[in-house]
Amino acid sequence: DTEVTQTPKHLVMGMTNKKSLKCEQHMGHRAMYWYKQKAKKPPELMFVYSYEKLSINESVPSRFSPECPNSSLLNLHLHALQPEDSALYLCASSQDPASGGASEQFFGPGTRLTVL
Amino acid sequence: AQSVAQPEDQVNVAEGNPLTVKCTYSVSGNPYLFWYVQYPNRGLQFLLKYITGDNLVKGSYGFEAEFNKSQTSFHLKKPSALVSDSALYFCAVVSRSSASKIIFGSGTRLSIRP
Repeated sequence: DTEVTQTPKHLVMGMTNKKSLKCEQHMGHRAMYWYKQKAKKPPELMFVYSYEKLSINESVPSRFSPECPNSSLLNLHLHALQPEDSALYLCASSQDPASGGASEQFFGPGTRLTVL
Repeated sequence: AQSVAQPEDQVNVAEGNPLTVKCTYSVSGNPYLFWYVQYPNRGLQFLLKYITGDNLVKGSYGFEAEFNKSQTSFHLKKPSALVSDSALYFCAVVSRSSASKIIFGSGTRLSIRP
């Protein structure tokens, strides 16, 4: 299985809602990532988990809260978002954090988030 | 500051012609270099990478890329374009000193006309 799956595909939420995005991979990868992508722009790194521990937080607002329950799952909890947070949220994984960045990343199809 | 430049927002090529998508980088040391492709409403797909060794790297779907250290470039090429190659292409770089952080270029939209 060489897939990264993400649910839901689409999400519409109000600014007072709490929702979660889910990401799953069964490739045995030990690094997992969350990215935010605006239309026609490159992905922007948000968080990196290495061996289930948060290793990078790119100064992301606290209304985004990541969680890595186990080596296959990655969640992104959303609360009190703003309309400017509307974007495509991509999850990715790569094989081995110890490889020093030489491993390519496998991306999921993304969750299209709209904040009203 | 470390950066990746894709100087062309859009590249237009006729089907069957060769294509080149340009990428230059400014990253210290000997970075790892990648190309990814994104089709509409999809995540990114890995195409190829340069780690070390032969400067010409072959990847998926007939694509290849040439690493040029003196020009700090990593241009993506394909000898004969297909309409199905039309997509958004991202060059990316990982510095060996900050291995978890990938730096993406701004992207180049490739359009192949029949």
